[in-house]
Order: sequence, then C-alpha cells, then structure tokens
Amino acid sequence: GDSVTQMEGPVTLSEEAFLTINCTYTATGYPSLFWYVQYPGEGLQLLLKATKADDKGSNKGFEATYRKETTSFHLEKGSVQVSDSAVYFCALRLQGGTSYGKLTFGQGTILTVHP
Amino acid sequence: GAVVSQHPSRVICKSGTSVKIECRSLDFQATTMFWYRQFPKQSLMLMATSNEGSKATYEQGVEKDKFLINHASLTLSTLTVTSAHPEDSSFYICSASRLRGPPTDTQYFGPGTRLTVL
Repeated sequence: GDSVTQMEGPVTLSEEAFLTINCTYTATGYPSLFWYVQYPGEGLQLLLKATKADDKGSNKGFEATYRKETTSFHLEKGSVQVSDSAVYFCALRLQGGTSYGKLTFGQGTILTVHP
Repeated sequence: GAVVSQHPSRVICKSGTSVKIECRSLDFQATTMFWYRQFPKQSLMLMATSNEGSKATYEQGVEKDKFLINHASLTLSTLTVTSAHPEDSSFYICSASRLRGPPTDTQYFGPGTRLTVL
C-alpha cells in the first residue's frame, strides 16, 4: 500500500542552522506530495506542496523538491529560527480514484530550535 | 483564513461510556470532513471520510459501530466513540475540505481532541 517514511526525530538545532528532514514515499500511482506543520496547540497547516515530478514547493524559506527517481520529498531550510520549532509531517495524496482527498502521513518529525 | 475547531480539546471518561467530539468549520462550508487518529509518536491514521448528507466512508479496520460519524450540516461533523475502552484513548483530529468535487490541496485541520478512557 501507499506509505510515507520520515526521518526519525526529534531534531534539535541552533538558530540559523541548516535543516533537512528526509521523506520518502511508496505509492501505486503518481501522488501529490505535501509538507504540513503543526505548531504547539494548533492544527496542522499546509506548509508546501508539489504535484508532479521535479516540482519544487516553497514557503516561508522552506523548500522541497519532488524527486520521482528517488521517491523522495526532503524538506530543507537554509537558516532556521526559534519560531520554526514544531512538528513536521510529510504526506501524499493519490490523484483521483476512490480515495478522494485521502492523505497518507509520515510519522512526523519534532523540530526544536534553540536561540 | 479557514478555521476548523474541535470540541472538547480534552476529555476523560469512564470505560463503557460514549463520547462525542465535534468538528466545526467556522468560516467556510465543508462538504467533506476527515477524521484521523494519532497515537503517540506515530502518524495520523485516517479513520473515515464524511460528506455532508451522506454516510461516512470508513477505512479498513475501523469499526463503523464503534466510531459513529455524522455530518449533518456543512459546518459540523461529529465523531462519537461508543462504549469507549482504554484502548480507544488517543488523539483525534478532524480536517475539512471546502470544495465539492475534486479536492483541492487545502485540507484545514482542527487542533485535535485528546481522549483518555479510564
């Protein structure tokens, strides 16, 4: 079945450090890929997305590129801030079919950024 | 922006009782709502998809009679955990999609409800 695997956390970084959170996926079709972020006490928010191979999603300094050849969608940010501390979820959604709108999530990665 | 609320945020109940969790879209009409369950340090697992005015579609392995879902209006869906047991203790999260037909990428999530069954 479809699945998403994220790197194990938690990840702890100093402010201005470079961030990478790895995400790989297994899917039977051609999925859309997403990164969601969950700040403490809040619901998940869409951070960025990519809908086809080689697309790059970006938002708030975060980037991720849809790599079909490696089935990956790694999240990166060049310089993290304390306010980036949150839980990050990688997810996929198949295009069409009976699973309309269904998101398959990775297990989440806790990021803590220290001043 | 689109806001989804859940109520209650936390609930503790005795084994054998039923608990109802509400999910509301506050400033938009949600034709589709999703219910997820999240165990500690684990991923969100989709339990069911509900469309306004029709029966919910449950994922494999989710007991329909255990987790009753009602989506009676365009702004409200409820999840009732019937005859709750300690193994039902979990974090329940809902999300809402605002458009009918092909879903957009905008699924708006509620903050979640922590259920503890004693």
